Amino acid sequence: NAGVTQTPKFQVLKTGQSMTLQCAQDMNHEYMSWYRQDPGMGLRLIHYSVGAGITDQGEVPNGYNVSRSTTEDFPLRLLSAAPSQTSVYFCASSYSRTTNEKLFFGSGTQLSVL
Amino acid sequence: ELKVEQNPLFLSMQEGKNYTIYCNYSTTSDRLYWYRQDPGKSLESLFVLLSNGAVKQEGRLMASLDTKARLSTLHITAAVHDLSATYFCAVDWAQGAQKLVFGQGTRLTINP
Repeated sequence: NAGVTQTPKFQVLKTGQSMTLQCAQDMNHEYMSWYRQDPGMGLRLIHYSVGAGITDQGEVPNGYNVSRSTTEDFPLRLLSAAPSQTSVYFCASSYSRTTNEKLFFGSGTQLSVL
Repeated sequence: ELKVEQNPLFLSMQEGKNYTIYCNYSTTSDRLYWYRQDPGKSLESLFVLLSNGAVKQEGRLMASLDTKARLSTLHITAAVHDLSATYFCAVDWAQGAQKLVFGQGTRLTINP
């Protein structure tokens, strides 16, 4: 199994540009989420989804959009990139959010906004 | 607002020694997770602690949870170089919804 796959691994944007970070999992997991990691800090939850068609906001949702049209995919959209969005982004998934199972993390996308 | 604090943030130790990383959190939760992250890599799940008094062990690592004290510990026994990494604790702030708040991380360096 590939697990949780994120693309791209690296991206440089100019302020105001838009882009989509891709996340796909092949484990038939219900729950998927996006986190950002800034230097010297832990991860912060951006958005999450408990199933296809259902999304909700996390701790730091501003400036990001998500959708979940299929169980497998959970893309994260930056509508108008800002330097404050420079970070490493991790996608994570688990079989079910209610069974207390561990999260599986993707390898991350390092994003720089100039 | 849930706050999760780890200490120490940096720890340099010698192989063979024992040490403990502490994770304190500010509001009630009975679900706590420990993760390991190697430099430039993703996070790997170590332990899921689901109740007061829970204790889990894997190799040289042992984690425990005291929900009354709002404290979890990650104990390292007879450290080896391969355990060098950053360790994060994370607390579920929505009672089982896996909406995690992470601590700042403890960067552990184990010297030969």
